[in-house]
Amino acid sequence: DVKVTQSSRYLVKRTGEKVFLECVQDMDHENMFWYRQDPGLGLRLIYFSYDVKMKEKGDIPEGYSVSREKKERFSLILESASTNQTSMYLCASSLRQGAVDEQYFGPGTRLTVT
Amino acid sequence: GEDVEQSLFLSVREGDSSVINCTYTDSSSTYLYWYKQEPGAGLQLLTYIFSNMDMKQDQRLTVLLNKKDKHLSLRIADTQTGDSAIYFCAEKSYNTDKLIFGTGTRLQVFP
Repeated sequence: DVKVTQSSRYLVKRTGEKVFLECVQDMDHENMFWYRQDPGLGLRLIYFSYDVKMKEKGDIPEGYSVSREKKERFSLILESASTNQTSMYLCASSLRQGAVDEQYFGPGTRLTVT
Repeated sequence: GEDVEQSLFLSVREGDSSVINCTYTDSSSTYLYWYKQEPGAGLQLLTYIFSNMDMKQDQRLTVLLNKKDKHLSLRIADTQTGDSAIYFCAEKSYNTDKLIFGTGTRLQVFP
């Protein structure tokens, strides 16, 4: 079974703190994605990576950065957390140009910024 | 840019059929997907349809695709309480690995 794990299920941080969200997948997938999920807005893509050290901006990259030093790990960084970054963060992975391009999701990290 | 829209809520009685609808704008979509998110969990692929198909059936699930109207629907027959979840429609364009997700439809099944 494909497994995507995220470092925390719940996180509470203060405004201005630097926040790291970690994601690890165990299926040797090339693609990894970070989304945020907000009620009424669905999933919005923040960043994605199709290879080690490669990254591309998604639809809402402002206030975020990412790091992919190893194929299995994709980190989302909030340089200076703000209250409008309170959200559910979902990581996903997929094979590059796979047959169906199914994305496999982690359980999510609910981040609260106070 | 591409856009995928869904209604936010649907409430059905146990045993009835549920129909969740989705509209999309990208005419170059290659695959269209339905993902299910149960409470406290990530998304899981439920079913998908290739853009050159009109219909796909998988046990209690029927996916209908109307390419002319860019309309996708998911029908769940004999809806059970375990089907209560958020259902996301997503589309994938040609030559990209990115998916565009809809807003999600929260399905509530009552006895």
